Amino acid sequence: TQLLEQSPQFLSIQEGENLTVYCNSSSVFSSLQWYRQEPGEGPVLLVTVVTGGEVKKLKRLTFQFGDARKDSSLHITAAQPGDTGLYLCAGYGNQFYFGTGTSLTVIP
Amino acid sequence: ETGVTQTPRHLVMGMTNKKSLKCEQHLGHNAMYWYKQSAKKPLELMFVYNFKEQTENNSVPSRFSPECPNSSHLFLHLHTLQPEDSALYLCASSQVITDGNYYEQYFGPGTRLTVT
Repeated sequence: TQLLEQSPQFLSIQEGENLTVYCNSSSVFSSLQWYRQEPGEGPVLLVTVVTGGEVKKLKRLTFQFGDARKDSSLHITAAQPGDTGLYLCAGYGNQFYFGTGTSLTVIP
Repeated sequence: ETGVTQTPRHLVMGMTNKKSLKCEQHLGHNAMYWYKQSAKKPLELMFVYNFKEQTENNSVPSRFSPECPNSSHLFLHLHTLQPEDSALYLCASSQVITDGNYYEQYFGPGTRLTVT
């Protein structure tokens, strides 16, 4: 089983703070996706990273794929209440494997 | 985003009922997926269809029966479910890239199922 562990599991911060979420595995993935999910809705794709060491930026969100393609991080700068949600990573090996999720709450 | 739609959004059913979940994708993709999302557990892949052919069945109980009549539609037929089957059922689609090695999945809003 290609298990993806995310940390932290829960995170509550004040508006304007920075944060980093981690996604780790002992397996190598050919690609890795990050999703954000709001209550009662399906996950929404944020980014796909493919190359080891790749860094992608989406406004205040910075995504990095580890050199060995086993891990990834999501950094949010100056968090806003609209960033609140469940952040999921998903790695593609021979199928998709989803992480355990990080529930983020940004307090105004 | 209405690329993947699911109906109904909410469903309450008794253990002896038979119901079906419907998913439709408008993205021109050729692969569709059913996932189960329960509280405090990672998303669980249930079924995968590539080009309308089922390619994955992750040991799902037979009380869940998928159907994929074409590459745009996916159904999940439910019968004699158990209370522990209560969960959010998510449909997703992706484009299978035969020469590449990565896929991006796009999810529907899900069906919140409660089995009483």
